[in-house]
Amino acid sequence: SQKIEQNSEALNIQEGKTATLTCNYTNYSPAYLQWYRQDPGRGPVFLLLIRENEKEKRKERLKVTFDTTLKQSLFHITASQPADSATYLCALDRGGTSYGKLTFGQGTILTVHP
Amino acid sequence: GAGVSQSPSNKVTEKGKDVELRCDPISGHTALYWYRQSLGQGLEFLIYFQGNSAPDKSGLPSDRFSAERTGGSVSTLTIQRTQQEDSAVYLCASSLDYGYTFGSGTRLTVV
Repeated sequence: SQKIEQNSEALNIQEGKTATLTCNYTNYSPAYLQWYRQDPGRGPVFLLLIRENEKEKRKERLKVTFDTTLKQSLFHITASQPADSATYLCALDRGGTSYGKLTFGQGTILTVHP
Repeated sequence: GAGVSQSPSNKVTEKGKDVELRCDPISGHTALYWYRQSLGQGLEFLIYFQGNSAPDKSGLPSDRFSAERTGGSVSTLTIQRTQQEDSAVYLCASSLDYGYTFGSGTRLTVV
């Protein structure tokens, strides 16, 4: 089965810096990789999707890269703000007959200090 | 509605009792998913409904768990003879294409 590892359970950075979160997977290469944000007591919120044939995707201060050779996705938040503090989850979609069914990583807790 | 609605938001039940958790997806979303999240754990897939297709039940942990989706809309997750290890947050999500919209979950505590 697919194993997903997200770097360090917790990441602390200073406001204004770039936060970089890592998602590594071990088995099949997913057709799609998604990133979600989860705040305490709430369900995850969809942020970005990147396809296996895409190298990079951007949305405002967010950037996602996808390297199928390294089996890794990086999630960047530039000019980070305290309001970006949350848990960030990566999720893999195998595609094909399993399209839509996501396998989630454990998440990385990001804290941005003022 | 504007979002995915789950009820109740909190449920405390005695071990051995049955519970029903409800999910109201976004209108028009064809896919509906149930996940659960235990303290310190990632999201664990439970079951997936897509349109009129047979549901993917491969994540249900035991035969005490079942779910149905009526009229392609509202879904109910039922847990029979609850056990303490069933304590978790049960999350429902719906989607039309890609990217899930999650509800806020039902926090189930079995005492």
